[in-house]
Amino acid sequence: DQQVKQNSPSLSVQEGRISILNCDYTNSMFDYFLWYKKYPAEGPTFLISISSIKDKNEDGRFTVFLNKSAKHLSLHIVPSQPGDSAVYFCAAITGANNLFFGTGTRLTVIP
Amino acid sequence: DAGVTQSPTHLIKTRGQQVTLRCSPISGHKSVSWYQQVLGQGPQFIFQYYEKEERGRGNFPDRFSARQFPNYSSELNVNALLLGDSALYLCASSTQPALAKNIQYFGAGTRLSVL
Repeated sequence: DQQVKQNSPSLSVQEGRISILNCDYTNSMFDYFLWYKKYPAEGPTFLISISSIKDKNEDGRFTVFLNKSAKHLSLHIVPSQPGDSAVYFCAAITGANNLFFGTGTRLTVIP
Repeated sequence: DAGVTQSPTHLIKTRGQQVTLRCSPISGHKSVSWYQQVLGQGPQFIFQYYEKEERGRGNFPDRFSARQFPNYSSELNVNALLLGDSALYLCASSTQPALAKNIQYFGAGTRLSVL
């Protein structure tokens, strides 16, 4: 049972435009959410996180939005750069410290 | 500073065999977690160890076991390998076990192929 879902396996965006990656979850016990970026032949790298008590967290070009009522979060990257091309995973943590990953979205930023 | 290192990088085994994967955390990190990533899926949590004690276990059969050593390095063992065990096995380390407050740093993984 996939508790964290990323329904778009891939996304292509022009350099300089906004990239929006989406993630849905089913478990209302999740209280912390994270985004990881993964380049080929490397492990995932932490990008940004958000607590369930907030609805937005911003770090430079990266902003994560959380809509608890819709059980939906999104990652906005603006402006997108070719170096952002990678697979992005959203992940969620329960109060019991269990971590669940989504299936990933491959972002391609076209120069 | 060295990041999380895993060995070997690639491994080929046959069904029924046993395998041991190794992980060295970042210096100063006492928590190590193991994940399995099957092709096309996200990583799935297998184990977390902190100060040599198991702190969490995912939904994996008893064929999977792990341990952590006094220097905080860790081994993941898988017995009686099945074809479905073919995956990328990732190790991650953090300073403390609470995942919401402590960033996990991942190694590049060990690619296991079971034939």
